Amino acid sequence: QKEVEQNSGPLSVPEGAIASLNCTYSDRGSQSFFWYRQYSGKSPELIMSIYSNGDKEDGRFTAQLNKASQYVSLLIRDSQPSDSATYLCAVNMGGDYKLSFGAGTTVTVRA
Amino acid sequence: DTGVSQDPRHKITKRGQNVTFRCDPISEHNRLYWYRQTLGQGPEFLTYFQNEAQLEKSRLLSDRFSAERPKGSFSTLEIQRTEQGDSAMYLCASSLESGGDQETQYFGPGTRLLVL
Repeated sequence: QKEVEQNSGPLSVPEGAIASLNCTYSDRGSQSFFWYRQYSGKSPELIMSIYSNGDKEDGRFTAQLNKASQYVSLLIRDSQPSDSATYLCAVNMGGDYKLSFGAGTTVTVRA
Repeated sequence: DTGVSQDPRHKITKRGQNVTFRCDPISEHNRLYWYRQTLGQGPEFLTYFQNEAQLEKSRLLSDRFSAERPKGSFSTLEIQRTEQGDSAMYLCASSLESGGDQETQYFGPGTRLLVL
């Protein structure tokens, strides 16, 4: 069983729609959760971090965390073509400093 | 804050050759990480430094891999006797020790290695 799993893509959404990305993790003791965006051929870029249960909003992005269900999600509202990228879910498993990543979900926003 | 830098950005080498990559973290960051990413996968942890001390190495890091951070600033990752399976993007990240869980890693641009 993979430690961090993301919903398989690719995910295609029309411009202006909401893109919903999901991630589950195996270690119930995990405390820190991150979403990174990675454009093709580039390195991961942090877009959101979340540490407490509930929602966290930053511009068009909303991260949601449910530790009891071991689930974290990312919503992208009013999707733009520039949002087309692979989104990586990353977790500090069990208090480790290193990050465990999912395989990523590729999002394509069609104009 | 100039961000994490890595050099070179691209490296093509022949199987059996040695290669060395450099990472310069964000200046005040005392933690430095190396990850490896292959196509279609998320980054995988290789090793981690706190200041100059190498505190953890992944099982992925075979004896052919060695990493150093001699003065707690920049770090090097060397791969000896490269194999075609070493072809990947090598990513460096750094963070500032915060004493809690809310510590964020920032990634450099990566070094893309191709072993022929």
